[in-house]
Amino acid sequence: NAGVTQTPKFRVLKTGQSMTLLCAQDMNHEYMYWYRQDPGMGLRLIHYSVGEGTTAKGEVPDGYNVSRLKKQNFLLGLESAAPSQTSVYFCASSYSAGSNTNQPQHFGDGTRLSIL
Amino acid sequence: GEDVEQSLFLSVREGDSSVINCTYTDSSSTYLYWYKQEPGAGLQLLTYIFSNMDMKQDQRLTVLLNKKDKHLSLRIADTQTGDSAIYFCAEYHTGGFKTIFGAGTRLFVKA
Repeated sequence: NAGVTQTPKFRVLKTGQSMTLLCAQDMNHEYMYWYRQDPGMGLRLIHYSVGEGTTAKGEVPDGYNVSRLKKQNFLLGLESAAPSQTSVYFCASSYSAGSNTNQPQHFGDGTRLSIL
Repeated sequence: GEDVEQSLFLSVREGDSSVINCTYTDSSSTYLYWYKQEPGAGLQLLTYIFSNMDMKQDQRLTVLLNKKDKHLSLRIADTQTGDSAIYFCAEYHTGGFKTIFGAGTRLFVKA
């Protein structure tokens, strides 16, 4: 059972290049999220999705775009990479249920991205 | 505003108990979580507590919740070197699905 899988695991880009990070989950979760993790700052939400075909902005969406064409996949795009986007990116997913239902998030192992 | 605060570092000796503390600001949070992150890996759910509880025990882990003070703690009994990791506190807001994470506490276990 794979859970949440992120590809690639590592990537180095030059400023101005573009790339797409892929997240796939096999748990039939409705909700999916993209975070970035920077030293001393914990996790910051970039974008999220509450279902196939929907996306919404999180806390730090600038410079990123996302798509959720299939329920199991959530893509994060950088159109023109900047050094400030050097970070570790985590994808997560959770069930959709009643508002009082426990909804812990399940995380992938991260993508380490360096922008030179 | 929404904020979850944790101290950044904790160092303990192997065999001692570790206590990691967290404060949160939203009294409407329904669930409070502890996640563990080992080097090079994602966050893994360690344990959680429902807001109408004040304590939960799970083997070596004890979670205490003080809703009046908005204070959450995680106690790890008989701490082992394998417990060295970053521990994240998180609160779940049922109104908007959102989970707010703290910055994480890095636990060092000395042999």
